[in-house]
Amino acid sequence: DADVTQTPRNRITKTGKRIMLECSQTKGHDRMYWYRQDPGLGLRLIYYSFDVKDINKGEISDGYSVSRQAQAKFSLSLESAIPNQTALYFCATRERSFSGGAVGELFFGEGSRLTVL
Amino acid sequence: SQKIEQNSEALNIQEGKTATLTCNYTNYSPAYLQWYRQDPGRGPVFLLLIRENEKEKRKERLKVTFDTTLKQSLFHITASQPADSATYLCALDARYSSASKIIFGSGTRLSIRP
Repeated sequence: DADVTQTPRNRITKTGKRIMLECSQTKGHDRMYWYRQDPGLGLRLIYYSFDVKDINKGEISDGYSVSRQAQAKFSLSLESAIPNQTALYFCATRERSFSGGAVGELFFGEGSRLTVL
Repeated sequence: SQKIEQNSEALNIQEGKTATLTCNYTNYSPAYLQWYRQDPGRGPVFLLLIRENEKEKRKERLKVTFDTTLKQSLFHITASQPADSATYLCALDARYSSASKIIFGSGTRLSIRP
């Protein structure tokens, strides 16, 4: 089983609909991230969370919200989807260092491809 | 503003040659620099991490260099194989930042022809 699981893997929806993308992890990491990937633009950070009570906006948070339901679960919501939110979305986790900062690599899920018509 | 650039969108080389990918950054002081591999439709997978006080890191056929004066990292794959074909992403990690954000370049799509 994958360490970082995203659902759904593919979703087609219509403009104005509410969409939730879910992420769960079995790595026991405190830190979780949501990225969006568009062709030619690389990965852009939407939101990140250091623990259940600590959620932070990334560089492109407008139009998105998140919920950290537990250490292992981090959901991304689009309250009213629009076509330019069509993209590949990735959840990732990362370990916390002994000093409290971050260390090491990101572990990614397989992605959720969202199409907004 | 902070910026990360990977030198080319696509790189096409002959099998057996060394592939060299470049990552340049501006207005940023990373503590770490990382390289990831991404296959089509899949999530990125970590390859190597190099710290600001390290000049070079190796792992099997992979080598990464990090020059903080030039603000550049080079990623080499020696004896390249068609199975190395993928998109390679560089990523910068903030210096002692509690924000703990990793910022990615847009990637270089590497194709190794037999």
